[in-house]
Amino acid sequence: AQKVTQAQTEISVVEKEDVTLDCVYETRDTTYYLFWYKQPPSGELVFLIRRNSFDEQNEISGRYSWNFQKSTSSFNFTITASQVVDSAVYFCALSEATQGGSEKLVFGKGMKLTVNP
Amino acid sequence: ETGVTQTPRHLVMGMTNKKSLKCEQHLGHNAMYWYKQSAKKPLELMFVYSLEERVENNSVPSRFSPECPNSSHLFLHLHTLQPEDSALYLCASSLTSGGGSQYFGPGTRLLVL
Repeated sequence: AQKVTQAQTEISVVEKEDVTLDCVYETRDTTYYLFWYKQPPSGELVFLIRRNSFDEQNEISGRYSWNFQKSTSSFNFTITASQVVDSAVYFCALSEATQGGSEKLVFGKGMKLTVNP
Repeated sequence: ETGVTQTPRHLVMGMTNKKSLKCEQHLGHNAMYWYKQSAKKPLELMFVYSLEERVENNSVPSRFSPECPNSSHLFLHLHTLQPEDSALYLCASSLTSGGGSQYFGPGTRLLVL
């Protein structure tokens, strides 16, 4: 069965600190996708990134960067120079194909990040 | 409107009521999803519709009844709910081909009294 583990449940940092959110996954599929979503207090899940299992290149988008390592089944997310607006719950997710081409997302439990001024 | 919208945003209902949650996507997607998010539990997939056909039903009690009349609209009909059904119900949509990313609506926060 597919599983996503976010070992950290809550992190609190001071503005401008760097913070890394860990994600470890389990799957028997050879083709899969990994995702990160952000959920601010408003409740909406905001899509951040999707990574194909065959693409292990690290990715950087502004202050966000992602480190995908198949050897350790990890897909970690780093926020550089954190800001108060980064405060949210962050979810890591793994896709599982379903009938008809749609995908079922298996989510981790989420990690609450609080950035203090 | 753009993206994925959900109405109502908040709902309080008694255990004997019947209500419906509505989701609409304006992204040209052809798959839609219902998720449930309870306190202290991971997000749980409830239903998946692909090309208006239900392809996944994750052992959800029959008091939840989904309906997908077309690729842009998804409903969740609720009847005789229990207090433990109180949660945030999130709708998402995606393209079915190529592992399309799921985009979520703002959710309906449901309280069952």
